[in-house]
Amino acid sequence: GAGVSQSPSNKVTEKGKDVELRCDPISGHTALYWYRQSLGQGLEFLIYFQGNSAPDKSGLPSDRFSAERTGGSVSTLTIQRTQQEDSAVYLCASSRWNEQFFGPGTRLTVL
Amino acid sequence: DQQVKQNSPSLSVQEGRISILNCDYTNSMFDYFLWYKKYPAEGPTFLISISSIKDKNEDGRFTVFLNKSAKHLSLHIVPSQPGDSAVYFCAASQGSYGQNFVFGPGTRLSVLP
Repeated sequence: GAGVSQSPSNKVTEKGKDVELRCDPISGHTALYWYRQSLGQGLEFLIYFQGNSAPDKSGLPSDRFSAERTGGSVSTLTIQRTQQEDSAVYLCASSRWNEQFFGPGTRLTVL
Repeated sequence: DQQVKQNSPSLSVQEGRISILNCDYTNSMFDYFLWYKKYPAEGPTFLISISSIKDKNEDGRFTVFLNKSAKHLSLHIVPSQPGDSAVYFCAASQGSYGQNFVFGPGTRLSVLP
């Protein structure tokens, strides 16, 4: 399919471990976004990429969170020293213009 | 401080009737608004949008109304179908490009057969 894909779909990790989440956007989409949705909450903006640069990192909740994008395509979101409050569904979206296309998300559970 | 609010966490409607989902925003600089629908275990999918130069946009059974003075928009679904049961997110931005989208917390719609 030509949609946004994310891996893994589910990740269970122990508190203190690092995790890496991957997003493959739709080919040709220059903009890429990361959001997270905690239980019972709305979508929380994390970071936005235009090409390989991130003009807006304002949503990253702490310096344990980082993201990169290479080749204007794949992006990885890394969470270091995970905490239980990091448990959420992490959603990636890509867009060429104004409509964002979302991936299915990665459900992260920190024990 | 939520800039986009959806004050009803859930809504139940009978099949065939109208569903009205509401959204309020606080930032008067927002000028582009979208609705997304989300099924369990899937990412949100775009439903309909409206620019602040309009007060209504219609697409099939879905109509979005914008009241700029009240900073309020609503999504009407007529007639509602069981397949419309999902969580609906309202989103707002300055400009239509999308990097500044702010999402509301969502409203879970249940359409009862």
